[in-house]
Amino acid sequence: KNEVEQSPQNLTAQEGEFITINCSYSVGISALHWLQQHPGGGIVSLFMLSSGKKKHGRLIATINIQEKHSSLHITASHPRDSAVYICAAFLQGAQKLVFGQGTRLTINP
Amino acid sequence: GAVVSQHPSWVICKSGTSVKIECRSLDFQATTMFWYRQFPKQSLMLMATSNEGSKATYEQGVEKDKFLINHASLTLSTLTVTSAHPEDSSFYICSASIGGGTGANVLTFGAGSRLTVL
Repeated sequence: KNEVEQSPQNLTAQEGEFITINCSYSVGISALHWLQQHPGGGIVSLFMLSSGKKKHGRLIATINIQEKHSSLHITASHPRDSAVYICAAFLQGAQKLVFGQGTRLTINP
Repeated sequence: GAVVSQHPSWVICKSGTSVKIECRSLDFQATTMFWYRQFPKQSLMLMATSNEGSKATYEQGVEKDKFLINHASLTLSTLTVTSAHPEDSSFYICSASIGGGTGANVLTFGAGSRLTVL
């Protein structure tokens, strides 16, 4: 079992819908990253969280350390949000990043 | 903002040749850089952690003699795939931690290098 699990693996929604992507991890972490990967492969770091909640534009990321769970929300989704979203946990012990499998999001106009 | 430039963005080579991929931090100093590979429809896998002025730390299962990493300066890390084989065809990505340290800081990623070995 992977130390970092994401769900769903694929998500298709209509423009304007509220999107939630979930990430669970099974080990102690120092930080959790949410990344966005576009079809060309380039990766953009969206958030780094160690506690609580962060917001940037239409994107919101939350983390619950006790429950070992993080969520990425997109409000008023738009076709340009279509991408693969990846959560990555920085493991306390191993001092390295472990990546979830990614969630392929498609927003239809 | 902090930018990591990766070059080349794609490369095709013959089996048995070596390919070098460069990763440069353009407006900050990166004491630590990370190299990942990604197979189609799979997530990223950390290959190695590149430390300026010292040997890279390789993940289990990654051949250090095949994937040579050099971090000769605070702004440049290189990954050389030696004696490339078709199974080395993959998407290679580097990243750096802004503010130094390992992965507990904000990360910035290169655009990636797609290697195809014929």
